[in-house]
Amino acid sequence: DAKTTQPPSMDCAEGRAANLPCNHSTISGNEYVYWYRQIHSQGPQYIIHGLKNNETNEMASLIITEDRKSSTLILPHATLRDTAVYYCIVRVLPNFGNEKLTFGTGTRLTIIP
Amino acid sequence: NAGVTQTPKFRVLKTGQSMTLLCAQDMNHEYMYWYRQDPGMGLRLIHYSVGEGTTAKGEVPDGYNVSRLKKQNFLLGLESAAPSQTSVYFCASSRALRAEKLFFGSGTQLSVL
Repeated sequence: DAKTTQPPSMDCAEGRAANLPCNHSTISGNEYVYWYRQIHSQGPQYIIHGLKNNETNEMASLIITEDRKSSTLILPHATLRDTAVYYCIVRVLPNFGNEKLTFGTGTRLTIIP
Repeated sequence: NAGVTQTPKFRVLKTGQSMTLLCAQDMNHEYMYWYRQDPGMGLRLIHYSVGEGTTAKGEVPDGYNVSRLKKQNFLLGLESAAPSQTSVYFCASSRALRAEKLFFGSGTQLSVL
C-alpha cells in the first residue's frame, strides 16, 4: 500500500470548515483513499473513502486531485466533538488475502471554541 | 448491536506473565485484526485473520500469538509479557472482499511492569 503524508497538527475555529490535507504521491491506480478519525482513548472511526471522484456523506466530503496524488478531507461545520486525530490511508479494494491497513501518525485536529 | 467488543479494558502484568485478550464481533465479519498503538507511532498491525481457522502476521508480530477458532472471536496472546508490550491494543473487523470500512473495538490498555 502507498504511503501517506499528513501535517502533524491543525487548528480550526468552531463552525468553520476544517480542511485536512493528505499527500499520497505514490498511489497506484487501484488504491482507494480512506479517512478514519480517533477521538481520545476510543477506537478509530471510519469517515469516508474514494477512488478518484469526489465523495460526500453525512460526516464529511473527500476531494481527490485529478492526478490522485493528494486529497483533502473537509468537515463542513466543525464542532468541538470533531477534535480528534485524523488518519489518511490508501489501500487496494478488494485485496484478497492481504486485507491489512497501515495507519500513519495522522493529523491532530483541534477545534477552537 | 454491540459491534466489536474487547475484554478486558485494562490490565497490569508483571514481566514474564501471560495473558489473552479477547475480541468478539457480532457482525458476521470474515476479517479480523489486532493493532497496537503507541505514542507517535500510529496503529501498527500485529496479526490478522481472513477467516475462521486462519491467521497471518502483520507488521509487528513478535511476542504475540493469535487464534481464530470461531468466526466471531479473535484472541491475542502474550506468552511472556515484556515492558515493550505496554501499549493500547485495538481489535477490528471487516466484511470479506469489498470491505469498505473497519469497525474497531474500544481498546485494551495493557501495562507490563
